[in-house]
Amino acid sequence: NAGVTQTPKFQVLKTGQSMTLQCAQDMNHNSMYWYRQDPGMGLRLIYYSASEGTTDKGEVPNGYNVSRLNKREFSLRLESAAPSQTSVYFCASSETALAGQMEQFFGPGTRLTVL
Amino acid sequence: GDSVTQMEGPVTLSEEAFLTINCTYTATGYPSLFWYVQYPGEGLQLLLKATKADDKGSNKGFEATYRKETTSFHLEKGSVQVSDSAVYFCALKSSGYALNFGKGTSLLVTP
Repeated sequence: NAGVTQTPKFQVLKTGQSMTLQCAQDMNHNSMYWYRQDPGMGLRLIYYSASEGTTDKGEVPNGYNVSRLNKREFSLRLESAAPSQTSVYFCASSETALAGQMEQFFGPGTRLTVL
Repeated sequence: GDSVTQMEGPVTLSEEAFLTINCTYTATGYPSLFWYVQYPGEGLQLLLKATKADDKGSNKGFEATYRKETTSFHLEKGSVQVSDSAVYFCALKSSGYALNFGKGTSLLVTP
């Protein structure tokens, strides 16, 4: 099992460009998440999908959109990239979203730079 | 709202030294508590967890005990190795969908 995979690993964009970050999991998990990691800030939730067909905003959703394409795949789109979106983006998944003890499994991350 | 506070890093230790990374939390209800580790260039991996008061999570020589009376979940290891060099994140999950992460503590272990 590959676990959680993300593409691309690195990306450089110019301000105003758009792009989609891809995420897939092969663990048959119901819930998926997108986080961003900034220096000294820990990880902050951008969007999540509790189950296939549903998506909801997290702590920092502005400037992003998501699509839960099917149970395996959850993509994050930047419609018009801004330098403030320079960050490392992590996708994660878990069996369910609400169970407090449920572990989240993380992908390797996408390092995005917006010039 | 829920929050996690970790000790500031970086922490630099010699090999075989004792490690403590402090973590305290604020939450309503009875959260589950986690320690995640991030090795250079990689994603986060679950190191250990505890789901109720007085539970002790342990893995790879690391331990943490869920202390409700002091709202703490400090990470300890008796003898660190160079391979333990990483960033360690304390996190909690109560109601809702997201993990709440601390800011992370960078650990460097020197030979």
